[in-house]
Amino acid sequence: QKEVEQNSGPLSVPEGAIASLNCTYSDRVSQSFFWYRQYSGKSPELIMSIYSNGDKEDGRFTAQLNKASQYVSLLIRDSQPSDSATYLCAVNAPAAGNKLTFGGGTRVLVKP
Amino acid sequence: KAGVTQTPRYLIKTRGQQVTLSCSPISGHRSVSWYQQTPGQGLQFLFEYFSETQRNKGNFPGRFSGRQFSNSRSEMNVSTLELGDSALYLCASILAGQGEQFFGPGTRLTVL
Repeated sequence: QKEVEQNSGPLSVPEGAIASLNCTYSDRVSQSFFWYRQYSGKSPELIMSIYSNGDKEDGRFTAQLNKASQYVSLLIRDSQPSDSATYLCAVNAPAAGNKLTFGGGTRVLVKP
Repeated sequence: KAGVTQTPRYLIKTRGQQVTLSCSPISGHRSVSWYQQTPGQGLQFLFEYFSETQRNKGNFPGRFSGRQFSNSRSEMNVSTLELGDSALYLCASILAGQGEQFFGPGTRLTVL
């Protein structure tokens, strides 16, 4: 079992719709969770961080964390073609210092 | 505020050679981490440095090494290059406290 799992996609979403991305992790003591967006040929860009159970909203992005079920999700509202990218989930556990463990990423395609 | 800089951006080497990559973190950040990204393995943690000390190391052979200088700039070195070392090498500047990591543009290494 991978430590951090994501559906590789592609997740095809019509423009204006909501894209829903999921991520599950295996280390129950993980405390910090991050979502990165990576365009083809570019480096990952941090878009959301979440540390406690519940929802966190930032513009069109909402991150949701459920530690009991060991999953974190990302919602992208009003999806735009510019949101087409690979979204990476990253998890940090306290014993690992600042080491981030990444999922394989979900490729999102927003179709006009 | 300047972002993370990495040099060089592209490198082509042959098997058996060695390479040194450089990273300058965001001003005021004292921790940096290094990751390797390949299509097959995704993003994998190499090591983390804080105040010139290696705090954490990933599961990579001893050919991969790094260091950090007093001005927080960091270098990583790969000796005796192998074809499988071809990858995007990413440096991340770490914000103290919540541990958010901001990636530089990366160095694309090709080993022939």
